[in-house]
Amino acid sequence: GDSVTQMEGPVTLSEEAFLTINCTYTATGYPSLFWYVQYPGEGLQLLLKATKADDKGSNKGFEATYRKETTSFHLEKGSVQVSDSAVYFCALSDRGSSNTGKLIFGQGTTLQVKP
Amino acid sequence: DAGVIQSPRHEVTEMGQEVTLRCKPISGHNSLFWYRQTMMRGLELLIYFNNNVPIDDSGMPEDRFSAKMPNASFSTLKIQPSEPRDSAVYFCASSSRQGADEQYFGPGTRLTVT
Repeated sequence: GDSVTQMEGPVTLSEEAFLTINCTYTATGYPSLFWYVQYPGEGLQLLLKATKADDKGSNKGFEATYRKETTSFHLEKGSVQVSDSAVYFCALSDRGSSNTGKLIFGQGTTLQVKP
Repeated sequence: DAGVIQSPRHEVTEMGQEVTLRCKPISGHNSLFWYRQTMMRGLELLIYFNNNVPIDDSGMPEDRFSAKMPNASFSTLKIQPSEPRDSAVYFCASSSRQGADEQYFGPGTRLTVT
């Protein structure tokens, strides 16, 4: 079945460092891909999305490109801030397979940014 | 738009008591999802509805858990009787099935069963 694998956390960076959180997926068809962010004590918020191969999603300085050839959707940011400290989830829709509207989530990667 | 609304935000109850969690999805959305999040098991999908009909409840842990969606603007998740291992944050999310199927999450209900 469809699945999402994220890099293990926690990731600890200094402020203004470059961020990459790896995400790879297994899916049939052509799923949409998402990154969600969860700040402490809050629900998950949609950070960005991409719906087809080579699409780049971007928001708040974060970017991710839908790479079908490598089945990846890595999250990047050029200069992180302390306020970016959160848990990041990669997800895919099952629109390409069973098309129920379900999202398949990775296990989440905790990012801690130190001043 | 008010977003997904969940109540209560916090619930503390004793083992054996009935607990009811409530969710109001975003107006116009026709899919609703209940999740549970714990440190040990991460984020788990419990059940989801399309057009008020339960589609897949295979994630519901036991018969003690039940969920209903009597109309397009309201859903409940009930635990009866509750146990300490049910302590978790329960999230409700909704989507419109338009576009990319992105889901919008509520703030969650933090349940503590003592």
